[in-house]
Amino acid sequence: KAGVTQTPRYLIKTRGQQVTLSCSPISGHRSVSWYQQTPGQGLQFLFEYFSETQRNKGNFPGRFSGRQFSNSRSEMNVSTLELGDSALYLCASSLGTGGTLNTEAFFGQGTRLTVV
Amino acid sequence: TQLLEQSPQFLSIQEGENLTVYCNSSSVFSSLQWYRQEPGEGPVLLVTVVTGGEVKKLKRLTFQFGDARKDSSLHITAAQPGDTGLYLCAGAPGYSTLTFGKGTMLLVSP
Repeated sequence: KAGVTQTPRYLIKTRGQQVTLSCSPISGHRSVSWYQQTPGQGLQFLFEYFSETQRNKGNFPGRFSGRQFSNSRSEMNVSTLELGDSALYLCASSLGTGGTLNTEAFFGQGTRLTVV
Repeated sequence: TQLLEQSPQFLSIQEGENLTVYCNSSSVFSSLQWYRQEPGEGPVLLVTVVTGGEVKKLKRLTFQFGDARKDSSLHITAAQPGDTGLYLCAGAPGYSTLTFGKGTMLLVSP
């Protein structure tokens, strides 16, 4: 079965621009979570979507937003990019329907965003 | 304050050595998961431990969940260069959002 697909793999943007990243989860998974990974902070949770609704949100400014479509594909958007937004952005899919094993996350390869 | 504290942060060893990395918390978890991440890739799930005191083995890797379900350890026997990577523990307190520790970076040299 196909894994989690994130596009694009690499992106270079200029400060002040906006960017949209895409994630296609594993078929049948209804939960998609987004994480930002940097060397200093590790994996930080951005938000989780389940059945097109944002179910949880991390401690990031409003410049970071996301959405989920009816086919469970998800996008995240970052507006007014700052140098500190340079990071690996990871998407993870899971069944998300509650229960211990349904939190197991399957990650995409990530999108490496560089802001210059 | 990090919900899950991992130690050590970095570990550099020679091929054939044994090692243990730790994941500690003051919170109780219904389960803990271990992932390995290689450079430029996303984390890959290794194991989920569910029951307090549980021990799971995956070839040369042994995972243990503390009796109180607040901590876990990963022991690698006879480490190989292919074990190199970032080892992350993660938990979802009360089935909420999965939270990750900062990880242990392991380098195994030939």
